[in-house]
Amino acid sequence: DIVMTQSPDSLAVSLGERATINCKSSQTVFFNSKNKNSLAWYQQKPGQPPKLLIYWASTRESGVPDRFSGSGSGTDFILTISSLQAEDVAVYYCQQYYDTPFTFGPGTKVDIK
Amino acid sequence: EVQLVESGGTLVKPGESLRVSCAASGFTFRNTWMTWVRQAPGKGLEWVGRIKSRKDGETRNYAAPAIGRFTISRDDSRNMVYLQMNSLRTEDTALYYCATGGPEGSYLDHWGQGTLVIVSS
Repeated sequence: DIVMTQSPDSLAVSLGERATINCKSSQTVFFNSKNKNSLAWYQQKPGQPPKLLIYWASTRESGVPDRFSGSGSGTDFILTISSLQAEDVAVYYCQQYYDTPFTFGPGTKVDIK
Repeated sequence: EVQLVESGGTLVKPGESLRVSCAASGFTFRNTWMTWVRQAPGKGLEWVGRIKSRKDGETRNYAAPAIGRFTISRDDSRNMVYLQMNSLRTEDTALYYCATGGPEGSYLDHWGQGTLVIVSS
């Protein structure tokens, strides 16, 4: 199975400041035939199901604010929130869908400093 | 509007069986690969398994904890997907979500609210 790790486990950022979350896969999730990385990012707020933010490592889901961006390739990926808003307080998960089982990272909790 | 509504979660004893269901609407269900994801209380997300569409062979893939104990099935005539869980363990206690989305059940852009399964003596 592909193991996903995230860092940090949690972070606190001032309103309007940048938040950066790292995600690493134990093997590449780059799909040569698609020329894409099979990596998604989700946001989960308490009591709610996860919400898809980013797929193919850098494609923003419709309706997601442009302060959310994804980057990276191969085994190393980053989710950036360019200017943290109060409503961004949540747990963020990465997920690989390169190979089954499609594994999730352990999550990163984002709070306001 | 895509809707996924899970049901069937309840309290069961270790070793017992349970089937949870997911009713889907708002999309062409028969062509869609469906996924189950679970979340233990206070823990992260765990991919349980997925079932392909009939036209893609209805193949199922499972995560290791589900292999040999869980079975995903679908009824395209009713737009339903099921998760049959046998030999339940306390560590199967979780909120079970059904989800769908990208091609080949890849990224998940639609989720239900989940159904809670508690395994306890």
